[in-house]
Amino acid sequence: GDSVTQMEGPVTLSEEAFLTINCTYTATGYPSLFWYVQYPGEGLQLLLKATKADDKGSNKGFEATYRKETTSFHLEKGSVQVSDSAVYFCALSDHFGNEKLTFGTGTRLTIIP
Amino acid sequence: DSGVTQTPKHLITATGQRVTLRCSPRSGDLSVYWYQQSLDQGLQFLIQYYNGEERAKGNILERFSAQQFPDLHSELNLSSLELGDSALYFCASSPLGGDPGELFFGEGSRLTVL
Repeated sequence: GDSVTQMEGPVTLSEEAFLTINCTYTATGYPSLFWYVQYPGEGLQLLLKATKADDKGSNKGFEATYRKETTSFHLEKGSVQVSDSAVYFCALSDHFGNEKLTFGTGTRLTIIP
Repeated sequence: DSGVTQTPKHLITATGQRVTLRCSPRSGDLSVYWYQQSLDQGLQFLIQYYNGEERAKGNILERFSAQQFPDLHSELNLSSLELGDSALYFCASSPLGGDPGELFFGEGSRLTVL
């Protein structure tokens, strides 16, 4: 079945550091890929997405590129802020008649000033 | 605020008991999804309803059941509770014709089984 493997956390960075959170996937067909973010005490919210190979999703300074050849969708940000502290989830949607998401285990990110 | 409302926010109960979690989706959204978030299993898809009908089923235990009512709100029923059922239960909704995979999540219902 479909699965998503995420970089183990927690990750702690200083403000303005470069961020990469790795994500690889296994799926039949051609899934859409997503990054969701969960701020403390809140539900998940969509951060960015890509629906086909070589697409780049971007939002709030975060970027991720859909790499079919390496089955990856790594999340990057050039300069993180304290407000980016949250749990980040990589996910895929298989398009087979429903829109359910398969999530990775999540990566907790803490940014220190 | 995502527009998805879940009640109760917190619930503490004992093993063997039964609880009901409620979800009101965003206005106009026809699909409702239930997810379980636990420390050891991560986010697990339980079940999806679309306009009152079950559409997809994931790793939902037989002790759990769900339904979606004509007004589109949904309830997740958990029975014969075990310690391992302690988790955060999320409801999410999505609109008809919306971007596939773009779900709007509630803040969750935290269940503690003692």
